[in-house]
Amino acid sequence: DGGITQSPKYLFRKEGQNVTLSCEQNLNHDAMYWYRQDPGQGLRLIYYSQIVNDFQKGDIAEGYSVSREKKESFPLTVTSAQKNPTAFYLCASSMWQTYSNQPQHFGDGTRLSIL
Amino acid sequence: GENVEQHPSTLSVQEGDSAVIKCTYSDSASNYFPWYKQELGKGPQLIIDIRSNVGEKKDQRIAVTLNKTAKHFSLHITETQPEDSAVYFCAASIGDSGAGSYQLTFGKGTKLSVIP
Repeated sequence: DGGITQSPKYLFRKEGQNVTLSCEQNLNHDAMYWYRQDPGQGLRLIYYSQIVNDFQKGDIAEGYSVSREKKESFPLTVTSAQKNPTAFYLCASSMWQTYSNQPQHFGDGTRLSIL
Repeated sequence: GENVEQHPSTLSVQEGDSAVIKCTYSDSASNYFPWYKQELGKGPQLIIDIRSNVGEKKDQRIAVTLNKTAKHFSLHITETQPEDSAVYFCAASIGDSGAGSYQLTFGKGTKLSVIP
C-alpha cells in the first residue's frame, strides 16, 4: 500500500541531545513537509522540500534541521538548540504543480518527549 | 501572513444531527481550502478540499462552502455518526505564482463529539 511512514512512534530525548525523526513515502510525491503540533493548536510548518537536495524554512525552523538526499525520504533532526521540543511531529507529502496547490497527505506522527 | 480562525473549538451533536464548523481567513489571495479529520494518536486525514473558483463541493455526507467576499468557509456534516467523532482542522493556502511555497496555514481545530 502507498503511504507515508514515520518512525519511531514515540521518542525520548535527553537534555543536550540531538534526535532524528524518520519520514519515508512511497507515493512518488515530489514535495515533503514537516509540521509540529502542540496540544489544542493547529499545525505549524517547520520545513518543506519541493525537490531533492532543496528545502526551505517554514514558520518555526529554529532548532531544527532537515535533509533531502532521496525523493522518498525527508528526515528531521531536533537539535539541542530547540528548547521546547516536546510535541507531536507530523510529516506530509504532496505532488508538486506550479501555480496549483496539491493535497497534502500525512503520516501518523512521532511523539517526542523530554526525559 | 495568513491567519485562519476556526470556530467552535468544541462541538457536541446528537447522532443523526448535522454539524457545522466555520473558518475565516485573512488573506484575500488564498485560493485553496482543505479540511482534515484527525483521530486520537493519528495523523490528519484529508476529507475534502475546495478551490476559490468553486462555491460549494459535496462528497456524500460532507460538504464545504466558500464565501470569498466574506473570506470564510464552512464544513457541513449531515446525518452524523459516532465514527465522525474526531478533531477537524481547516486550512488555507495562497499557492501564489512564483514563490511556490503553497504553505498551508491551519486553524486550531474543532473537537467534534457525536453522542449516540
